[in-house]
Amino acid sequence: GAVVSQHPSRVICKSGTSVKIECRSLDFQATTMFWYRQFPKQSLMLMATSNEGSKATYEQGVEKDKFLINHASLTLSTLTVTSAHPEDSSFYICSARVPPEQFFGPGTRLTVL
Amino acid sequence: GDSVTQMEGPVTLSEEAFLTINCTYTATGYPSLFWYVQYPGEGLQLLLKATKADDKGSNKGFEATYRKETTSFHLEKGSVQVSDSAVYFCALSSWNTGNQFYFGTGTSLTVIP
Repeated sequence: GAVVSQHPSRVICKSGTSVKIECRSLDFQATTMFWYRQFPKQSLMLMATSNEGSKATYEQGVEKDKFLINHASLTLSTLTVTSAHPEDSSFYICSARVPPEQFFGPGTRLTVL
Repeated sequence: GDSVTQMEGPVTLSEEAFLTINCTYTATGYPSLFWYVQYPGEGLQLLLKATKADDKGSNKGFEATYRKETTSFHLEKGSVQVSDSAVYFCALSSWNTGNQFYFGTGTSLTVIP
């Protein structure tokens, strides 16, 4: 199957700093990527849909100015958590669509101190 | 709207026991159905899928049959191993919702020796 990578796998940052997470499709082109957030022992919450060359579509309740998404190429989408706070600590997972499937990255564990 | 209802966990089984994790769905169209597995600290991996009614997905000894009449996609394995300990997510994707994925809440499985 298609491979999706994420970098970094884990990051620890101070409150108030910004953190960028990269999501890459390694062996295919992805016009659409998704960003999810997962709280401990809970399911995935879709945050936004990232479309190559256009603005991301955010789910209700997700602050677009806080979670900046850029899908600059067919193989790369980035999520930047701006001015991170401890409540932003979570597991962030990206995925890329190859209809009818989605392929998921390994996730990024963000800890904000 | 489309949704997935999944058996609540956690589930604890002895090695070689039979596993069933129930999953039912609601969809307006004809969805594709999936089971994903998430090992601790990792992203989601596709375990198996079925794209039309009566299809059986299978992988690594796990099976699930797409039952349109009961709108179900129950996951089964005849003899679980310790290495099967993980969280299992049922999901659906439907073309008439733009292939957006809907996940169940996840079922944590622990297999004890």
